[in-house]
Amino acid sequence: EAGVAQSPRYKIIEKRQSVAFWCNPISGHATLYWYQQILGQGPKLLIQFQNNGVVDDSQLPKDRFSAERLKGVDSTLKIQPAKLEDSAVYLCASSLEASSYNSPLHFGNGTRLTVT
Amino acid sequence: AQSVTQLGSHVSVSEGALVLLRCNYSSSVPPYLFWYVQYPNQGLQLLLKYTSAATLVKGINGFEAEFKKSETSFHLTKPSAHMSDAAEYFCAVSDSNTGKLIFGQGTTLQVKP
Repeated sequence: EAGVAQSPRYKIIEKRQSVAFWCNPISGHATLYWYQQILGQGPKLLIQFQNNGVVDDSQLPKDRFSAERLKGVDSTLKIQPAKLEDSAVYLCASSLEASSYNSPLHFGNGTRLTVT
Repeated sequence: AQSVTQLGSHVSVSEGALVLLRCNYSSSVPPYLFWYVQYPNQGLQLLLKYTSAATLVKGINGFEAEFKKSETSFHLTKPSAHMSDAAEYFCAVSDSNTGKLIFGQGTTLQVKP
């Protein structure tokens, strides 16, 4: 089966600019996650979708970050305006259902964002 | 709140030596525990998961982990390291309410020839 697709792979922007990341999950996967992985740290969940509804966005900095999952398939994560501390790898993951125990997460290769 | 702590951000072993990566968890309910591996410039790949059916869990690439409730640990081991095992390893616990994964800080495994 095709894996989780993410684009772009790399992005360099200046602070205060905006940026968007795209994710296409594995076909049929109802649950989609966006994680932020800062260098030297473990991934941190930003937002979790179940189909096109938000399950958990408690760690999403809503003053600058937004995400949507139209039609319950592809998803876009946006940052506007970007700050230096947003430099990180943004990982998208999907699973068949919300329970990660019964349905392991499949991760994409991530988008590496550098904010200068 | 559930959490995991990985002891040692860097571990270096010789090829053929035992690999031991440490993970301790904190959970008020029986935890669902996982180990993931991340190769350079790639996403995370599931190595193994704790099922509660057996305390010793076998995963891919010869790795295994033992769940010890008395020690709140879920350490990852491999009897003989290969050069291809060099990567970053993450221990994670599943949130009992939402199913989201909560990751540790990660341990970088270096394998020397």
